[in-house]
Amino acid sequence: NAGVTQTPKFRVLKTGQSMTLLCAQDMNHEYMYWYRQDPGMGLRLIHYSVGEGTTAKGEVPDGYNVSRLKKQNFLLGLESAAPSQTSVYFCASRRSAEETQYFGPGTRLLVL
Amino acid sequence: GENVEQHPSTLSVQEGDSAVIKCTYSDSASNYFPWYKQELGKRPQLIIDIRSNVGEKKDQRIAVTLNKTAKHFSLHITETQPEDSAVYFCAASTTGGGADGLTFGKGTHLIIQP
Repeated sequence: NAGVTQTPKFRVLKTGQSMTLLCAQDMNHEYMYWYRQDPGMGLRLIHYSVGEGTTAKGEVPDGYNVSRLKKQNFLLGLESAAPSQTSVYFCASRRSAEETQYFGPGTRLLVL
Repeated sequence: GENVEQHPSTLSVQEGDSAVIKCTYSDSASNYFPWYKQELGKRPQLIIDIRSNVGEKKDQRIAVTLNKTAKHFSLHITETQPEDSAVYFCAASTTGGGADGLTFGKGTHLIIQP
């Protein structure tokens, strides 16, 4: 039981490049979330999903797109990376009947 | 939307003393309040949580109190130890069927002085 995993662990992009971050969970959780963490800002919600094929915007969705084609996977896409998207990205998941969110190990992204 | 304020941003205490971190929230509909501990370079880990139908909850050296009327909740750590040094985040959300994510405070860097 690996819990919540994220790939890659670290990535450097140039401005304008695109990439996809992958989150996977093996706990059969219905809900999945993407957060970003910046120094002194805490974690902020980007997008979330209540189930396969459904997504919704969070607090800071601009510049990101997401997809949930399979229940266990939640993808976060950056179509045209900007330096302001330099951050640590955390994925989380939880059961619909419980409040506890379980976090992945994070992806550190640097946009030059 | 929800807004969570957390104080202080840095807290330094002597080993063995108690530490208190305070948070306020703005949305009266919020009913779930978790606390996460994050060590450098690691993921946030849930240490304790409280729901709005409870005023206080304890787990060994850690306790959380909630005042719904004043919209604030606090984390209390007693008999602090070096391994308590970390960044602590409070958060709030509205549950009861919704999938809303957590709104986090900006964090408190707790330093335990030997």
